[in-house]
Amino acid sequence: DIRMTQSPSSLSASVGDRVTITCRPSQRISDYLSWFQQRPGSAPKLLIYSTSSLQTGVPSRFSGSASGTNFTLTINTLQPEDFAIYYCQQSYSPPFTFGPGTKVDV
Amino acid sequence: QVQLQESGPGLVKPSETLSLTCSVSGVSIRSYYWNWIRQSPGRGLEWIGYFYFRGSSSYNPSLKSRVTISADTSRNQFSLKLTSVTAADTAVYYCVRRDATMVGGDFFDYWGQGSLVTVSS
Repeated sequence: DIRMTQSPSSLSASVGDRVTITCRPSQRISDYLSWFQQRPGSAPKLLIYSTSSLQTGVPSRFSGSASGTNFTLTINTLQPEDFAIYYCQQSYSPPFTFGPGTKVDV
Repeated sequence: QVQLQESGPGLVKPSETLSLTCSVSGVSIRSYYWNWIRQSPGRGLEWIGYFYFRGSSSYNPSLKSRVTISADTSRNQFSLKLTSVTAADTAVYYCVRRDATMVGGDFFDYWGQGSLVTVSS
């Protein structure tokens, strides 16, 4: 199985901040990397797919990128509704696997 | 508008079979891949498997011996059966659409609200 690691596991931020979350797979996954946001009591919501493609309806302050073996989710100008848990996930090879999550709180 | 809704018992006894159904509206299950994903504090988000109308089902090897995912295309529903459950199977179970139709694109885009299943006597 491809193991996904995320850093940090949690971070504290303020409204208006720029936030960066990193995801690293245990092996090559091409660009088959997605990012999800999960608020308490809700299902995960797709934000980014194929490393950097913004899902329809997702605000443009969210962006994804890759550098070497690392993938990054960036949230520019953090909004109050962005305080949540963020997960990365690989669709390169089944079993499809998720990272452990990064909690973004105040 | 695509919508998925899980249904099934919220409590299952140890050693019995967990059964959930996902009702899909807004799209035919004859297209796309239809998945079950579960989430628990101990295991995080775990992909269970999928049904694909134009091919065969595929399962997570860690659960393969206990899982069956099937579909009723006439009702536009697909189902999960997990046998011989233990407390470790307690989780929120989500039914999820996977879109792999785009070249280079493969992602879980529509999720049900989730169904909490507790395994306890």
